[in-house]
Amino acid sequence: KAGVTQTPRYLIKTRGQQVTLSCSPISGHRSVSWYQQTPGQGLQFLFEYFSETQRNKGNFPGRFSGRQFSNSRSEMNVSTLELGDSALYLCASSKHRTGGSTEAFFGQGTRLTVV
Amino acid sequence: GQQVMQIPQYQHVQEGEDFTTYCNSSTTLSNIQWYKQRPGGHPVFLIQLVKSGEVKKQKRLTFQFGEAKKNSSLHITATQTTDVGTYFCAGRASNTGKLIFGQGTTLQVKP
Repeated sequence: KAGVTQTPRYLIKTRGQQVTLSCSPISGHRSVSWYQQTPGQGLQFLFEYFSETQRNKGNFPGRFSGRQFSNSRSEMNVSTLELGDSALYLCASSKHRTGGSTEAFFGQGTRLTVV
Repeated sequence: GQQVMQIPQYQHVQEGEDFTTYCNSSTTLSNIQWYKQRPGGHPVFLIQLVKSGEVKKQKRLTFQFGEAKKNSSLHITATQTTDVGTYFCAGRASNTGKLIFGQGTTLQVKP
């Protein structure tokens, strides 16, 4: 079956702009989480969506937002981009949130560069 | 908030030597997962531990979950160059269900 698909793979944006990243989870997976990965900070949790509702949120400013659609596809948006937002943004899908197998399947990520 | 600390951050070993990475959570976990990320790749699931004191093995890899369900370790016996990458632990908090990753341990293996 198809894996987690993230688009676009690469993005270059200017400070102050906004950006929308997309994630299509594995078919049948209802949980989608987003992470920011930078060399010095590892994988930082952004938020988690399950059945179109945000279930958890990390410690990121309000410029970072997301949503999930009825088909479980998810988008995250970053407004008023800053240089420090340059990172690899990873989306992960899982079948369940808690109980049973909750392993996360990651997409290839979107490499965002803010100039 | 919930924190998952992982040490060491980097480890360089000679091929054939053993390697261990440790993970500690500030809160009790319902389960802990381990992932491996190869250079330029994305994290790939290795294993999930659920029970207190659980030990699981995958060939040369041994995973342990602490009795208090707050710490875990991954041990690789006789490392090979194919083991190169960053190993992440990820703890799922019992109260929130949030999956929080440790900072990762980057393993380099010298042939």
